[in-house]
Amino acid sequence: DTAVSQTPKYLVTQMGNDKSIKCEQNLGHDTMYWYKQDSKKFLKIMFSYNNKELIINETVPNRFSPKSPDKAHLNLHINSLELGDSAVYFCASSPQTAFNTGELFFGEGSRLTVL
Amino acid sequence: SQQGEEDPQALSIQEGENATMNCSYKTSINNLQWYRQNSGRGLVHLILIRSNEREKHSGRLRVTLDTSKKSSSLLITASRAADTASYFCATVGGSNYKLTFGKGTLLTVNP
Repeated sequence: DTAVSQTPKYLVTQMGNDKSIKCEQNLGHDTMYWYKQDSKKFLKIMFSYNNKELIINETVPNRFSPKSPDKAHLNLHINSLELGDSAVYFCASSPQTAFNTGELFFGEGSRLTVL
Repeated sequence: SQQGEEDPQALSIQEGENATMNCSYKTSINNLQWYRQNSGRGLVHLILIRSNEREKHSGRLRVTLDTSKKSSSLLITASRAADTASYFCATVGGSNYKLTFGKGTLLTVNP
């Protein structure tokens, strides 16, 4: 069974469109994250939720909106997509609370290409 | 802002050799972690070392931490072709709890 699963794995879309990436973890973790990895492989945290509550919100355009319907799910919705949004987006979860950050478990990534 | 900086950016060795990657960071940390990423895959946690620890081992991996120099090293002994991947260090700051990644070292182990 996949521990942290993301869908879709690949997403190709036009500028200006709205798209969503879904993430689910079956590890029973309380904390979930979204990271963005650019073309140079640099990973940057975007958001973190602890038990459905937003606790980290980096300087991310408000076109990006995370939603956590329950602690096992953290979805990412992106409005008005831009070329610079092209990247691989990783979902991750952690058994620790956000105030004791330990090991993260990552999904396989969702490669978004904006044309 | 980016915290860890790995060195070298790329490393190519022969199977059986040891590989050493270094990580430097700028601010105080709670812990430092190393992750591996195979091409096109997600990151996999390798090892975590806390700020009050100096060395840790896990199988063929050895991690050291020098908080006075704000640096860490990852040693992979007796490397295998399957160790080919990007390796990232990541730090958890003392005053914030975000896991912040460096740019990674691309390790190529030639058979």
